[in-house]
Amino acid sequence: DTEVTQTPKHLVMGMTNKKSLKCEQHMGHRAMYWYKQKAKKPPELMFVYSYEKLSINESVPSRFSPECPNSSLLNLHLHALQPEDSALYLCASSQDVLRGNNQPQHFGDGTRLSIL
Amino acid sequence: EDQVTQSPEALRLQEGESSSLNCSYTVSGLRGLFWYRQDPGKGPEFLFTLYSAGEEKEKERLKATLTKKESFLHITAPKPEDSATYLCAVRQLRPRGSTLGRLYFGRGTQLTVWP
Repeated sequence: DTEVTQTPKHLVMGMTNKKSLKCEQHMGHRAMYWYKQKAKKPPELMFVYSYEKLSINESVPSRFSPECPNSSLLNLHLHALQPEDSALYLCASSQDVLRGNNQPQHFGDGTRLSIL
Repeated sequence: EDQVTQSPEALRLQEGESSSLNCSYTVSGLRGLFWYRQDPGKGPEFLFTLYSAGEEKEKERLKATLTKKESFLHITAPKPEDSATYLCAVRQLRPRGSTLGRLYFGRGTQLTVWP
C-alpha cells in the first residue's frame, strides 16, 4: 500500500465544472509534487511545493491551481478544463527538496481524470 | 533532446528467462538515479536509488547497477508478477536557474513475463 493517499481515484467532469484533487502524506516529508501522466508516457512535472511554499510551476495553465494547506496536504483545484487535460494526476512527496535532494519521491496511485 | 533514454521500449520474457533493462543518461552532475515500477492504473512504486558509478542495489529478483553513463536493471528468473512498466529517472546537480527537485524520467520499458 502506498503511503501517499490521493482522492478521488476517478473523476469525470464537464468543461465548466470546478473540482479538486486531494493528496495526503504522513511521512513527515516537506516537499510535495503534482505530476500529469498520459497513457504510455512518463510523468510530467507540474508543481513543486517545498515547506508549504510553491517553488516550481512548470508553466502550467491557470486552469490548474495548486494549494498546500499544511505540510501533509496538497490540493489541485480544477476549473474550466479541456478534453486534452484528461490524464492520470499523480501526487508525490519526498523528504526535502533542498537538503535531501537525493531522496526518492514516493508516489500515490493517482486520480484518473476524464473531461467530457 | 532526451536526457534519459530507456531500452528496449517493450520486452517479453518467458518465466525464468533472465534479462536486463537499460537506462542511459546524458545529464551532468548526477545527483541520483531512481528506478520505479509502475503497474497499470497505479502510481510509480519506488525500487532503488543509485548515487555513484559502481554502486549496486538488490531486491528479490531485481538488481540495479550504475556506470557513469547508464544504469541496468537486471531481472533474474522473472515471474509473471514482475510484469509492469519500469521507469528510470535522474536528478542532476542544479545549475544556476534550473529547477529544484526535478526528476527527468525516461519513457519506460514495458515488461511482460508469460508463464
